[in-house]
Amino acid sequence: DVKVTQSSRYLVKRTGEKVFLECVQDMDHENMFWYRQDPGLGLRLIYFSYDVKMKEKGDIPEGYSVSREKKERFSLILESASTNQTSMYLCASKAHGTFSGKEEKLFFGSGTQLSVL
Amino acid sequence: DAKTTQPTSMDCAEGRAANLPCNHSTISGNEYVYWYRQIHSQGPQYIIHGLKNNETNEMASLIITEDRKSSTLILPHATLRDTAVYYCIVSLTGNQFYFGTGTSLTVIP
Repeated sequence: DVKVTQSSRYLVKRTGEKVFLECVQDMDHENMFWYRQDPGLGLRLIYFSYDVKMKEKGDIPEGYSVSREKKERFSLILESASTNQTSMYLCASKAHGTFSGKEEKLFFGSGTQLSVL
Repeated sequence: DAKTTQPTSMDCAEGRAANLPCNHSTISGNEYVYWYRQIHSQGPQYIIHGLKNNETNEMASLIITEDRKSSTLILPHATLRDTAVYYCIVSLTGNQFYFGTGTSLTVIP
């Protein structure tokens, strides 16, 4: 089975701290994604990456950056954490799409609940 | 990518079929319809997807109308473990899946 692992299940940080959220996938997938999930707002795409060192902004990239130095690892960085970044963060991966079969599936990690105090 | 509209919440009796509707009236001809679900405190899980034809797998069935403007996810015999938030998504490129707020399904004993 595809496994997407997020380094922390729960994380508590202080305002102004630099925060790293790590995500690793074991299926050699090309595409990786970071979402945040807030009550009443559903999942919102922050950034995604379609290859090593490549990244694209999603809907809400402000206040975040990402790093993809290796194919299996996609990091989300909060340069200076703020209280409005308290949220559940979900990482996902997907193989290149071919519009047929299982390649289009997104596989999610279990999430990191980040609290910024 | 086309947007979708789903009811906020639904209830279903245990053992009965759960029918979850989704409207995607602006879907284009080559956009797929995907369904995911999210059980509390877990990441979303893929259920099924389709383009034009109805699809069935071990988890569910997907019925897409002929004009493709709406679809229905069917869980044939709902169990308590099917209580979750269900997301309907349409996607062309496959690289941007836009999740809305989904339908919160509660299966009642």
